[in-house]
Amino acid sequence: DAGITQSPRYKITETGRQVTLMCHQTWSHSYMFWYRQDLGHGLRLIYYSAAADITDKGEVPDGYVVSRSKTENFPLTLESATRSQTSVYFCASREGNTEAFFGQGTRLTVV
Amino acid sequence: SQQGEEDPQALSIQEGENATMNCSYKTSINNLQWYRQNSGRGLVHLILIRSNEREKHSGRLRVTLDTSKKSSSLLITASRAADTASYFCATDAIGANSKLTFGKGITLSVRP
Repeated sequence: DAGITQSPRYKITETGRQVTLMCHQTWSHSYMFWYRQDLGHGLRLIYYSAAADITDKGEVPDGYVVSRSKTENFPLTLESATRSQTSVYFCASREGNTEAFFGQGTRLTVV
Repeated sequence: SQQGEEDPQALSIQEGENATMNCSYKTSINNLQWYRQNSGRGLVHLILIRSNEREKHSGRLRVTLDTSKKSSSLLITASRAADTASYFCATDAIGANSKLTFGKGITLSVRP
């Protein structure tokens, strides 16, 4: 199926654990993004990637790691989860200065 | 820091009325986009307006852009209960390497 998919949709993890959120897109878009959405803050950019093997920090990168070995995948890793990372995470992709396509989101709870 | 700031934060109207939402931003842009988010879902693109455009229409949506005031407005005409959602403006700033920066969003409630 064409589109952008995130997995898992829901995740509960314990403080200090490493957790990876997956994002896969089928369009071969150059740009991919990770946002977190929290009440009162809207969407804040965590990391983005302009192409395979090219990544850069966004507004709130601390505590997160990304990689992009293949154009279609852009996993986000929380190296040691903290309660402040409880959030809804959205992955998006776009080609140049066009519209962005979003995944369904991953609701992460850190206990 | 967030580039776009939407106004109002929340809007409640009756079905059939028009809904106007505003967005202000800080830096020069390539384009400005509006997105919609239904509860618990991902964002869906509604409309994109480029920096050299002043107005754009798509169905019941009308977007205006005033680059001198660094502001945009989204008008939804003849609103329906199904328009109930959160609406976000996103700016594509010049020199930002295609990063989209979002505002905090506007919650629109359309009463049947």
